[in-house]
Amino acid sequence: AQSVTQLDSQVPVFEEAPVELRCNYSSSVSVYLFWYVQYPNQGLQLLLKYLSGSTLVKGINGFEAEFNKSQTSFHLRKPSVHISDTAEYFCAVSDPYNQGGKLIFGQGTELSVKP
Amino acid sequence: GAVVSQHPSRVICKSGTSVKIECRSLDFQATTMFWYRQFPKQSLMLMATSNEGSKATYEQGVEKDKFLINHASLTLSTLTVTSAHPEDSSFYICSARMGISGNTIYFGEGSWLTVV
Repeated sequence: AQSVTQLDSQVPVFEEAPVELRCNYSSSVSVYLFWYVQYPNQGLQLLLKYLSGSTLVKGINGFEAEFNKSQTSFHLRKPSVHISDTAEYFCAVSDPYNQGGKLIFGQGTELSVKP
Repeated sequence: GAVVSQHPSRVICKSGTSVKIECRSLDFQATTMFWYRQFPKQSLMLMATSNEGSKATYEQGVEKDKFLINHASLTLSTLTVTSAHPEDSSFYICSARMGISGNTIYFGEGSWLTVV
């Protein structure tokens, strides 16, 4: 079975500072990895995804993530955050061969950007 | 870009009644849609996988008779919460898969259900 662990439930950071949101996964098969952002009372928006190829994935809003197979991690980073980045961030994994589109989500990390 | 729309965005119903939530893919055909439930300040839990023209596949612990899912067309899936109780109050989110592979998924805006 697959699982996702987001190591930090809350991450407070000051505006223009760098941030890293951590995500580790467990799976016995190849995976697709995703990061989603959820603003209050809204659905989910895809930030970026790793399917194959380059392990460094660039997404929207200046975010990027690096797939590390040996450490089974997919940490999300941004070099300089804005107030508008305040939201809940979810890491997710899927099995591309057997579960097409069925996502297993982590517990979420609340990013709070302070002025 | 592709859009998935949910309706209603918010609904309040009385205990014992049923409520239907719609999930539509607006500019693509979705043979598979997924329904998730999210409690406040918690993650999303997959409830079921909805396949067009066939019965939904429910996750363990989800009551199929209580959460009825119908995927009658390639652009519409519905979730009906039957005989709703206050503990069914939650945020329900659908997603739709574009194409056959599992790497292009779009989420709806979510629907807040409050049972009073």
